[in-house]
Amino acid sequence: DQQVKQNSPSLSVQEGRISILNCDYTNSMFDYFLWYKKYPAEGPTFLISISSIKDKNEDGRFTVFLNKSAKHLSLHIVPSQPGDSAVYFCAATLSGGTSYGKLTFGQGTILTVHP
Amino acid sequence: DVKVTQSSRYLVKRTGEKVFLECVQDMDHENMFWYRQDPGLGLRLIYFSYDVKMKEKGDIPEGYSVSREKKERFSLILESASTNQTSMYLCASSSLSRGQYFGPGTRLLVL
Repeated sequence: DQQVKQNSPSLSVQEGRISILNCDYTNSMFDYFLWYKKYPAEGPTFLISISSIKDKNEDGRFTVFLNKSAKHLSLHIVPSQPGDSAVYFCAATLSGGTSYGKLTFGQGTILTVHP
Repeated sequence: DVKVTQSSRYLVKRTGEKVFLECVQDMDHENMFWYRQDPGLGLRLIYFSYDVKMKEKGDIPEGYSVSREKKERFSLILESASTNQTSMYLCASSSLSRGQYFGPGTRLLVL
């Protein structure tokens, strides 16, 4: 049972354009969402997050949008740069001590930004 | 700056061997995690630990065990390696209820 889904295995965009990566979840108890970026032969690194009490969070070129009613979030990268080419993972978690910080990850989307 | 290190970047083992993957974090984090990453499947949680000697199964614990004798160290053990355990193994740690720091990963090939 895949509770967090990234339905697009790959995305290709031109440098300078917007990249939009999508993520859907099924567990309505999730209340905190994160995006991680992963280069080959490296561990994932935290990119941006959003709490369920917000619908948008922005950090430089990266913005995450959350639509709770649709159980959908998206990551926007504007403008896209070749160095953004990586695998992007969406993750979700439940706040609170009993979750121990466990994250449920999506399958990942390979983003390729062409010069 | 948080650092999570893993004992090997690449490992080649034979079917049936016992394999130890070690992870060390230097930020006094309570929680530590082992994942495997496979194409099209994302990161799947194998085991996690929320304190020394405390562990819980993740989503895919079969064929694996773990050990946490010290707070900074979390080991993943493949009791009898099989070819379907060929994968990228990632260790992570966190002290908060959100967000994890990952090690560089160990790419394991079981022949």
